[in-house]
Amino acid sequence: GAVVSQHPSWVICKSGTSVKIECRSLDFQATTMFWYRQFPKKSLMLMATSNEGSKATYEQGVEKDKFLINHASLTLSTLTVTSAHPEDSSFYICSARMKDSPLLDEQYFGPGTRLTVT
Amino acid sequence: GEDVEQSLFLSVREGDSSVINCTYTDSSSTYLYWYKQEPGAGLQLLTYIFSNMDMKQDQRLTVLLNKKDKHLSLRIADTQTGDSAIYFCAETWAGKSTFGDGTTLTVKP
Repeated sequence: GAVVSQHPSWVICKSGTSVKIECRSLDFQATTMFWYRQFPKKSLMLMATSNEGSKATYEQGVEKDKFLINHASLTLSTLTVTSAHPEDSSFYICSARMKDSPLLDEQYFGPGTRLTVT
Repeated sequence: GEDVEQSLFLSVREGDSSVINCTYTDSSSTYLYWYKQEPGAGLQLLTYIFSNMDMKQDQRLTVLLNKKDKHLSLRIADTQTGDSAIYFCAETWAGKSTFGDGTTLTVKP
């Protein structure tokens, strides 16, 4: 149980285009989903926290107009990288917190999406 | 702000024990976690410890927490080649997690 999927697993896009990444909780309802960015050989940087039905909360330094997050249901959150540039190339990982989880603050992570902007 | 630090690399021989260390700064942390990340994959939760515990053992894994020194360690007994990965510690408070930079564990046969 507690599986989180991401789609696509990898994507290559041209500079200036937009890319949408989906994060789904497959067998549980997620009240909160998190979006992280991971640079090579580096830690995860929290980009934003999204709660179902409300606007995402972005971390300092993350442009909300560039990284659009939508959390339309208890099982789906999307991250859209708008007008992508090569510096947006990274590994994007989502995680989900289970509704009524017995372990406070436990997050289940997706497998990540590798974005390459050419 | 919160800061979590780990040593970047650890190399051990198969069958030995591995000890990965982590220090954190936020004394308000409720839970501390250890995650494993294999190449090109997401994070897998290995184990966790509640902030009022000193030790937790789970099969080959032992977590030690020194709250006074804000020091967390993960010991892997009888390390196997399949344990080669990046290990992240993370502290969580108020619903947010802060991750260390990860320790790359290399297990030599």
